[in-house]
Amino acid sequence: QQQVKQSPQSLIVQKGGISIINCAYENTAFDYFPWYQQFPGKGPALLIAIRPDVSEKKEGRFTISFNKSAKQFSLHIMDSQPGDSATYFCAASMMVGSRLTFGEGTQLTVNP
Amino acid sequence: NAGVTQTPKFRILKIGQSMTLQCTQDMNHNYMYWYRQDPGMGLKLIYYSVGAGITDKGEVPNGYNVSRSTTEDFPLRLELAAPSQTSVYFCASSYTGATNYGYTFGSGTRLTVV
Repeated sequence: QQQVKQSPQSLIVQKGGISIINCAYENTAFDYFPWYQQFPGKGPALLIAIRPDVSEKKEGRFTISFNKSAKQFSLHIMDSQPGDSATYFCAASMMVGSRLTFGEGTQLTVNP
Repeated sequence: NAGVTQTPKFRILKIGQSMTLQCTQDMNHNYMYWYRQDPGMGLKLIYYSVGAGITDKGEVPNGYNVSRSTTEDFPLRLELAAPSQTSVYFCASSYTGATNYGYTFGSGTRLTVV
């Protein structure tokens, strides 16, 4: 019930391409879905987040798409850049006083 | 503003030894967390605290203990270290739960048990 499944485990994209990372959750009580970005040797940092009252949220080149009926959400990185190379984690929680459950992570490599 | 500070950054322990991973935050956050990160496994919650004097177990608490005597500090204690505890440990804090503000993570402690 608490799992968040993330795919793919690794992703290689050419500069300028679109990177897509997918997550699926089981617990229908989840209603907060953030994405975290982690560079080597650093802790994860909040990138973008969405709540289920909207189907899409965009911040610059980063977009979250949310499908409540399918219990899935995804991160799209447009015009991917080598500086986007990092590990990305999706996560989910209930809003009030709850802990984040993280996906397994996706290691993104953007080739120049 | 230092955020979340973890010490040490690296440590090698022998099987059976004990140690404390230190975590302190200067953002006056109520909630603090300890996660471990293993390749391909994501971040697993070890313990968390919603305020000074209050702690609770996460998904993988066995072999660990925590305390929260102040708002700022949330140390993680490893007793009788085992090879299975080889991992990267992250401390995080948040204002209230996981709402708009997200978690602030420290830079991690890489622990090897040999």
